[in-house]
Amino acid sequence: KQEVTQIPAALSVPEGENLVLNCSFTDSAIYNLQWFRQDPGKGLTSLLLIQSSQREQTSGRLNASLDKSSGRSTLYIAASQPGDSATYLCAAVSGTYKYIFGTGTRLKVLA
Amino acid sequence: DTEVTQTPKHLVMGMTNKKSLKCEQHMGHRAMYWYKQKAKKPPELMFVYSYEKLSINESVPSRFSPECPNSSLLNLHLHALQPEDSALYLCASSQAGARETQYFGPGTRLLVL
Repeated sequence: KQEVTQIPAALSVPEGENLVLNCSFTDSAIYNLQWFRQDPGKGLTSLLLIQSSQREQTSGRLNASLDKSSGRSTLYIAASQPGDSATYLCAAVSGTYKYIFGTGTRLKVLA
Repeated sequence: DTEVTQTPKHLVMGMTNKKSLKCEQHMGHRAMYWYKQKAKKPPELMFVYSYEKLSINESVPSRFSPECPNSSLLNLHLHALQPEDSALYLCASSQAGARETQYFGPGTRLLVL
């Protein structure tokens, strides 16, 4: 059974810092891995999707990498801003339509 | 249009009530999902419809009954719920297949009294 964990559980940083969020999964037989952000009480917004054959994806200040062999993905956020404050969730997609979400990292960027 | 809409935004119901949650998308996606999310927890997959057929039921109690009337609509019928069913219910959609990005709606906040 796929298990997805994220560390750290919470993170507080000053504005402008570069930071790394980590996602680990136990079953390397995944179709893809997706990163989402969720603002309090709201739905999820997709940030990046990495197919199993890819090593990384970039969008603006965000870069996500995937290492299937070690069961790890990282989300790198450059030059963090207060608007980046949210909960970040990774989801490993195993089997058809089986999205298993990680435990999340609550990020606070201080102005 | 990359929007998934959900109604109602909030719902309060008693344990003997029958209510329905509605989800709609007009992106031509053929896979639609229901998730349940408790406070400070990740979303948990409940049901998946693919091409309007139920593909996944994650052992959800029968008091939750999904329905997919057409490729744009997804309903979740609720009956005889328990207080522990109070949660944020999220709908999502994607192109057919698990290799595509999921788009989420804003959710319905459900409180069962």
